[in-house]
Amino acid sequence: QKEVEQNSGPLSVPEGAIASLNCTYSDRGSQSFFWYRQYSGKSPELIMFIYSNGDKEDGRFTAQLNKASQYVSLLIRDSQPSDSATYLCAVGGSQGNLIFGKGTKLSVKP
Amino acid sequence: GAVVSQHPSRVICKSGTSVKIECRSLDFQATTMFWYRQFPKQSLMLMATSNEGSKATYEQGVEKDKFLINHASLTLSTLTVTSAHPEDSSFYICSARSSGQIYEQYFGPGTRLTVT
Repeated sequence: QKEVEQNSGPLSVPEGAIASLNCTYSDRGSQSFFWYRQYSGKSPELIMFIYSNGDKEDGRFTAQLNKASQYVSLLIRDSQPSDSATYLCAVGGSQGNLIFGKGTKLSVKP
Repeated sequence: GAVVSQHPSRVICKSGTSVKIECRSLDFQATTMFWYRQFPKQSLMLMATSNEGSKATYEQGVEKDKFLINHASLTLSTLTVTSAHPEDSSFYICSARSSGQIYEQYFGPGTRLTVT
């Protein structure tokens, strides 16, 4: 059974700071990794995906993947109060489905 | 582009009744649709995968006779919760994927089901 682990938080950072969200996964053969943002009562929205080791940047977001350590992270630079949400890490499953972690709740304080 | 809708957004039903939830891909053809369930403060858990024109594949522990999934067209999948019980109260979310995509899938807005 593939598992995706995240610290549930809450993670609290001041506005303008860097928020660092971490995720580990159990299946060494996993190939694709996703970060979703979910506001309360809403469905997830895709922030980024990453397939290769290293960093991938998109605006204020940077995803980092280390397959040897089975670790993927998301950095949010210049955090804004509107970034306050639950961040879900997901790993691609064998049927093209996604296996989600429980999410980390981020709170950005003005 | 890549919009997925769900209907209804919220539904309250009495124990023992059935509820149908629709998931539609509005601007693309969804060869595969996924149904997830999310309980409060929990992660999304995959219930079943449906491919257009085929029977759905259910995850272990999900009763296929209770959660009926139909994916009769490339733009519509339905989930029917039969003989609903209070423990079925949850947030049901569908996602859709077009042919040629491996993992990129688009989520619907979700349906909040409350069984009284």
